[in-house]
Amino acid sequence: DTGVSQDPRHKITKRGQNVTFRCDPISEHNRLYWYRQTLGQGPEFLTYFQNEAQLEKSRLLSDRFSAERPKGSFSTLEIQRTEQGDSAMYLCASSGQSGQGAYEQYFGPGTRLTVT
Amino acid sequence: AQSVTQLDSQVPVFEEAPVELRCNYSSSVSVYLFWYVQYPNQGLQLLLKYLSGSTLVESINGFEAEFNKSQTSFHLRKPSVHISDTAEYFCAVEWDTGNQFYFGTGTSLTVIP
Repeated sequence: DTGVSQDPRHKITKRGQNVTFRCDPISEHNRLYWYRQTLGQGPEFLTYFQNEAQLEKSRLLSDRFSAERPKGSFSTLEIQRTEQGDSAMYLCASSGQSGQGAYEQYFGPGTRLTVT
Repeated sequence: AQSVTQLDSQVPVFEEAPVELRCNYSSSVSVYLFWYVQYPNQGLQLLLKYLSGSTLVESINGFEAEFNKSQTSFHLRKPSVHISDTAEYFCAVEWDTGNQFYFGTGTSLTVIP
């Protein structure tokens, strides 16, 4: 399977606990993105990496959120001191630049977080 | 601010009937346009894309979308839907400045037998 993978697929945690999600992109893709999706909404951009550099962060990404891509391959998204409002699907996508200049994104299956 | 609007949150349609899912975006500067489909309990899958060239683009399963620059729209159409087309459809726009996609809120297509 050469698609984007995410682990775990589901996570249930108690409020106040820390959680970490992993994303493995398509191997030849240099860009990696994190999104959050809540019920009835489209994905909302959180942050993205070009290789190992984190180039942009959304204002949605509070201080409790941190993302890394240490070797420019897989990435982790950590949420500290989880709150019930963090319950959502967390999506990872990767992309490489097409010949026309666009960055087509390919998505993983997502990690569904439930904070109780 | 850039935005993507999908006016129809839910579209029920009978099997074999035609369907159009609407997508409008906020700016007419250079854009790349995408439709993604999300089946229940699955991730987003790229359905079709407009990058350049012909304004009418097609997918392998019979969907098509037309880029209309003057109306800043990228509506998705299918002349005859299947039960298997039941899913959530998201329009996404990448502005030429790059860096991120902006997604619409999605349209839930339900095909009725």
